[in-house]
Amino acid sequence: DAGVIQSPRHEVTEMGQEVTLRCKPISGHDYLFWYRQTMMRGLELLIYFNNNVPIDDSGMPEDRFSAKMPNASFSTLKIQPSEPRDSAVYFCASGGQEKLFFGSGTQLSVL
Amino acid sequence: DAKTTQPPSMDCAEGRAANLPCNHSTISGNEYVYWYRQIHSQGPQYIIHGLKNNETNEMASLIITEDRKSSTLILPHATLRDTAVYYCIGEFSGTYKYIFGTGTRLKVLA
Repeated sequence: DAGVIQSPRHEVTEMGQEVTLRCKPISGHDYLFWYRQTMMRGLELLIYFNNNVPIDDSGMPEDRFSAKMPNASFSTLKIQPSEPRDSAVYFCASGGQEKLFFGSGTQLSVL
Repeated sequence: DAKTTQPPSMDCAEGRAANLPCNHSTISGNEYVYWYRQIHSQGPQYIIHGLKNNETNEMASLIITEDRKSSTLILPHATLRDTAVYYCIGEFSGTYKYIFGTGTRLKVLA
């Protein structure tokens, strides 16, 4: 298995634009997580899914953020409109075999 | 709030054992102790986990005190590539809902 795949690796956009981050989890994993990491706040759990159903989105900062998991092999995290304070590394992770497997992350810069 | 506390940083000489402590006096009896590490800007990587007994795998050993209030991650022969931030997490097995604290920044010195 190729592991958790995230795209794009880097995203630079201007304030007000829509941003979509993508994630392909490891096949067979029932759980999918979105985390955000900044120097100030560390690793923050944003939302997680179990069997494609959102279970807990209490970490989503505000209504500008939304996440979907239309099927077991794909998830998106969307920010609309984006703001400079959204600049961070966004990680996707899938859970299986009692472990979390993380993707390489998307470095988002909002100018 | 995080259920675990760790020292913010540690140094270790290359080739020596690195012993990383974690206090988790508030975790429940059914919560496992998980360790992950994050090398530079990569995604966190699983190391090891345990409930009561000591555990060992190809990466590390985990020593959990009998009262389960603390544990120590041991990297038996640290290399420069072990320089990373190490996170200790208390959570129920199979839920994966990890709350990452600030971790311990381990620096392995040549």
